[in-house]
Amino acid sequence: GQQVMQIPQYQHVQEGEDFTTYCNSSTTLSNIQWYKQRPGGHPVFLIQLVKSGEVKKQKRLTFQFGEAKKNSSLHITATQTTDVGTYFCAGPFHSGGGADGLTFGKGTHLIIQP
Amino acid sequence: DGGITQSPKYLFRKEGQNVTLSCEQNLNHDAMYWYRQDPGQGLRLIYYSQIVNDFQKGDIAEGYSVSREKKESFPLTVTSAQKNPTAFYLCASGWADTQYFGPGTRLTVL
Repeated sequence: GQQVMQIPQYQHVQEGEDFTTYCNSSTTLSNIQWYKQRPGGHPVFLIQLVKSGEVKKQKRLTFQFGEAKKNSSLHITATQTTDVGTYFCAGPFHSGGGADGLTFGKGTHLIIQP
Repeated sequence: DGGITQSPKYLFRKEGQNVTLSCEQNLNHDAMYWYRQDPGQGLRLIYYSQIVNDFQKGDIAEGYSVSREKKESFPLTVTSAQKNPTAFYLCASGWADTQYFGPGTRLTVL
């Protein structure tokens, strides 16, 4: 499968501060997805990006897909305690995409201090 | 009520025993997947199945086996050949790359 790297591994922020996690692949991705996993829970799908340079917003969350389709970022504005969890990026297990499963980054653990 | 169910939530087994984890979905998805998650780590693909009676190995298939006799069901057997089976096991189903996860089974081998 493909390799997907994600940084940072941990991020401590004060409530109200912004947060960003970055995802990089050595190969071009047909698409990239983002998931959120709350402590003790399971991953929940957030969004899928497909187009080069694509930017999508969900309330305080902004997702970007790089022009070369090798990197992506998730930015959260003005974090809230409900944002606590681990954020994962994931690319297709096989470069051609399809329903072959996903390769996940190791995730960024967001820790919010009140 | 649509979704993915995994049972049990917690499972304890003695070393050397095979154990089968259940995964059922009523979302009418063709594709189903098994992932393993270790503490503080990302998810790693064990097996996937795009259609009934067909499945493929993922990154870490050694020591595991699966079957896909029905569209709704994709059980995973952790065999005694798996050297480090204690982990959080997540089943998912989906279409066109997007996946929906079950609540997971935490397996502890003593």
